Amino acid sequence: GAVVSQHPSRVICKSGTSVKIECRSLDFQATTMFWYRQFPKKSLMLMATSNEGSKATYEQGVEKDKFLINHASLTLSTLTVTSAHPEDSSFYICSASQGPEVQPQHFGDGTRLSIL
Amino acid sequence: AQSVTQLDSQVPVFEEAPVELRCNYSSSVSVYLFWYVQYPNQGLQLLLKYLSGSTLVESINGFEAEFNKSQTSFHLRKPSVHISDTAEYFCAAASGRRALTFGSGTRLQVQP
Repeated sequence: GAVVSQHPSRVICKSGTSVKIECRSLDFQATTMFWYRQFPKKSLMLMATSNEGSKATYEQGVEKDKFLINHASLTLSTLTVTSAHPEDSSFYICSASQGPEVQPQHFGDGTRLSIL
Repeated sequence: AQSVTQLDSQVPVFEEAPVELRCNYSSSVSVYLFWYVQYPNQGLQLLLKYLSGSTLVESINGFEAEFNKSQTSFHLRKPSVHISDTAEYFCAAASGRRALTFGSGTRLQVQP
């Protein structure tokens, strides 16, 4: 149980394009989803917290207009990297929490984004 | 704000030897603690968690961790490691309903 699916697993695109990453909770309703970014050989940094039906809460230093987050339903959250540039290349991971408590979180398999 | 420290960036160990991966967190009135494992190019898998109750928590594959409030630690241990345990291990903490704060990770390298 508590499976989180993230798609795509890998994407390579040209600089200037926008990329959408989906995060789905397959067998539970996720009231809260989180988006993390992981740099090579580094830890995970929280980008934003997404609650169903409301605006995402972004961490300090994360550009809201660059990283658009939508949490339209209890099973789906999307992260859109707009006008992507090489410095946006990274490993993006989503997580979802089940029920009223935020812990524990269940993680997707991540998306490797490479901008040429 | 919560902070998590993993002092060892890499831990090389021989197969069947014991291992301890260290984790310390900043003090908090109410804290939840986790260990996650990450294999190359994959997401994180929950290894074990401490939410409340017994301070010693165990995973199904032989790992255990002990919540030590006085030392603000949550070290991960395994009495005998396998080659397949080679991975990146992340300690994480959260206070209440807040998002997880991760440590910098420890690369466990099991050698034959």
